[in-house]
Amino acid sequence: EAGVAQSPRYKIIEKRQSVAFWCNPISGHATLYWYQQILGQGPKLLIQFQNNGVVDDSQLPKDRFSAERLKGVDSTLKIQPAKLEDSAVYLCASSRTGALANSYEQYFGPGTRLTVT
Amino acid sequence: KNQVEQSPQSLIILEGKNCTLQCNYTVSPFSNLRWYKQDTGRGPVSLTIMTFSENTKSNGRYTATLDADTKQSSLHITASQLSDSASYICVVSAKSNFGNEKLTFGTGTRLTIIP
Repeated sequence: EAGVAQSPRYKIIEKRQSVAFWCNPISGHATLYWYQQILGQGPKLLIQFQNNGVVDDSQLPKDRFSAERLKGVDSTLKIQPAKLEDSAVYLCASSRTGALANSYEQYFGPGTRLTVT
Repeated sequence: KNQVEQSPQSLIILEGKNCTLQCNYTVSPFSNLRWYKQDTGRGPVSLTIMTFSENTKSNGRYTATLDADTKQSSLHITASQLSDSASYICVVSAKSNFGNEKLTFGTGTRLTIIP
């Protein structure tokens, strides 16, 4: 099956500019996640969608970050305005939903590396 | 606060040798523990998932162990290959207040295999 697709792969912007990332999950996966991975650290969950509804956005900096998954498939993550500390890799992941432990297995995309100068 | 700590931070071994990576966690309520491999410039790829009742799980040359009493896990790599060079991330899942599973990621062990 095709994996999680993300674009762009790389983005360089100046601080205070806006940027948007796109994610297409694996077909049939109801749950979609956006993570922020700062260099040398593990990924940190920003937001989790179940179909087109938000399940968990407790760690999303809502003053500057927003995300949507309007039709329950593709998703976009936006940063407006960007700060220097937003430089990181933004990973999208998707998973099925079910009672079995392995149904929660998350499949990650290649990520978008954002550099804010 | 849920935490996952991994050791060592980095490791360099010769091709063909074995190695063991460690993970200690304080996550509750515990749901499952996962090991991911992350190649440079790529997203993490799942190696194993273990629930509370599983002590060991293998995936080819990778064998993960779990001691739920001491809250420790290890990942053993046998007969290492150059392609094993990557970061290995320990991830512990807990049931969140939202009813979903919330993952806590370790910072990873950077493994380098040299010929």
